[in-house]
Amino acid sequence: QLQLQESGPGLVKPSETLSLTCTVSGGSISNSNYYWGWIRQPPGKGLEWIGNIYYSGSTYYNPSLKSRVTISVDTSKNQFSLKLSSVTAADTAVYYCASKIYDAFDMWGQGTMVTVSS
Amino acid sequence: QSALTQPASVSGSPGQSITISCTGTSSDVGSYNLVSWYQQHPGKAPKLMIYEDNKRPSGVSNRFSGSKSGNTASLTISGLQAEDEADYYCCSFAGSTTFWVFGGGTKLTIL
Repeated sequence: QLQLQESGPGLVKPSETLSLTCTVSGGSISNSNYYWGWIRQPPGKGLEWIGNIYYSGSTYYNPSLKSRVTISVDTSKNQFSLKLSSVTAADTAVYYCASKIYDAFDMWGQGTMVTVSS
Repeated sequence: QSALTQPASVSGSPGQSITISCTGTSSDVGSYNLVSWYQQHPGKAPKLMIYEDNKRPSGVSNRFSGSKSGNTASLTISGLQAEDEADYYCCSFAGSTTFWVFGGGTKLTIL
C-alpha cells in the first residue's frame, strides 16, 4: 500500500519561495503506472490542482500557477518536490501530495499547512 | 470561482439517497470519461470514491455510484449513513492545456 508524506516549512515569508517534499513509501516512484501530483486547499475553501510529474521528469502545471511552479522528482530518494515562488498570502493553504493512477488521485498524503506571513 | 459547479450543500436522512451534481462544459466533463469524486472529512485528506465517471476503487462501498449526462456528472449515495457526512469534490480532466479542474465542493449533512 502506497503511503505519501509531505514535509517542509510551515511558515514562508511573502515574496519568498515555498518548498515542499513528498516522500513515497510502499512502492517505487519509478512505477510507470503512476503520476505524482500536488494539490492545495486554502483554509475553508476547495481543492486546487497545482501540477503533476512523471518519474521521467515530464511535468504538467496548472496554467494559473505555471509561471511560479516547479515540480521535480528524485528517483534515488523516492521523493518528488514542489517549489512555488513569489508567494503571497493567497498561497496560504494545506498542501497535499498524491499519486495519480486511473486518471484520478488515488492516494493522498495527510497534508501540510503552509502559512505565508512576515 | 471553481471550474466545475457543485451545490454548496445537500442533506438527507439516514437510509435515504442523495445526488450531488457537478456541472462543467464540453471542454472538460462533456469531453472525457475522466470525472472523479472525493470524500473529505474535516481535517482529513480527500479520499477517492469514484474514478472514470462511474468506477469504484477497491474498498469503497457500493452505496456510492457515479454517472454522467452531457456536461453534468453526478454522485449518488444510497442508504445514507452518519459516516457519510463530509465534503464531496468532483474533478475532471480538461484537456492538454488546463489538465485537471476541481469543483467547489458540496457539504453533505445527515439529518
